[in-house]
Amino acid sequence: KAGVTQTPRYLIKTRGQQVTLSCSPISGHRSVSWYQQTPGQGLQFLFEYFSETQRNKGNFPGRFSGRQFSNSRSEMNVSTLELGDSALYLCASSDGTSGLTGELFFGEGSRLTVL
Amino acid sequence: AQSVAQPEDQVNVAEGNPLTVKCTYSVSGNPYLFWYVQYPNRGLQFLLKYITGDNLVKGSYGFEAEFNKSQTSFHLKKPSALVSDSALYFCAVRDMGGGFKTIFGAGTRLFVKA
Repeated sequence: KAGVTQTPRYLIKTRGQQVTLSCSPISGHRSVSWYQQTPGQGLQFLFEYFSETQRNKGNFPGRFSGRQFSNSRSEMNVSTLELGDSALYLCASSDGTSGLTGELFFGEGSRLTVL
Repeated sequence: AQSVAQPEDQVNVAEGNPLTVKCTYSVSGNPYLFWYVQYPNRGLQFLLKYITGDNLVKGSYGFEAEFNKSQTSFHLKKPSALVSDSALYFCAVRDMGGGFKTIFGAGTRLFVKA
C-alpha cells in the first residue's frame, strides 16, 4: 500500500508570494492533518480534515488555509508569505474512524524556504 | 489542555547500552499516548502507542514504552541501542478537548555512539 505522498518536496518562494502544497493520503484514509515543523517551535498543528470537512484548526493566521477533496487528497495554501513561514510542512493521514486512538502516518514533507 | 513534555533535548548512549527517552504528560481524562521517530529529512514514523491495558507497550524496531500513571510518564526504552537508532524522537498525546489533533512534545535527539 502506497504511503502518504507530498508534493513538492522542496520549494523556494519570495516574501509576498503564495504557495500551495499537496498531500495524497494512504488509500482508504479519510483524515488528513497538517503540521508545521521548525527548529524553534517544533511541530505545530495547522488543521485536520475528514471527509472534506475541517474538524479542527490550530493557532495560525488566516493566511494559512486548507481544503480536502472528495478523494481525500488535501491541499494547504499559504498566502502573502513571510520569512517566518520557512519550515517543513508535514501531512499525516489516518483512517479517521479510530477516534482518538489511531496513529498518524506521515509524508516526507514539503520544505518551504521563503527569501 | 493536553500536553506532553520531553525534558531532554539530547540523549547520548553507547551502542549496546540500554536507552531511555523521557516523556511526561498532562491530560484530563484517559491519556492516549504515542511515540514517533524522525530520521533526517524525513517525515515522522509511528513507533508505538498506549491506549489502555498493559503498562508496558511494545513497538517497532525493538522499542518499548512504560506507562506510569502515578508519575504521569511514558518513557521510551530499548534494551540495547544501535547506531541506526540515532534520530529525533517525539512523544505525543491526542487532544481530548480539541478532538482530532495530536499534540507533540519538543522532541529529543538521540545519539548512539559506536
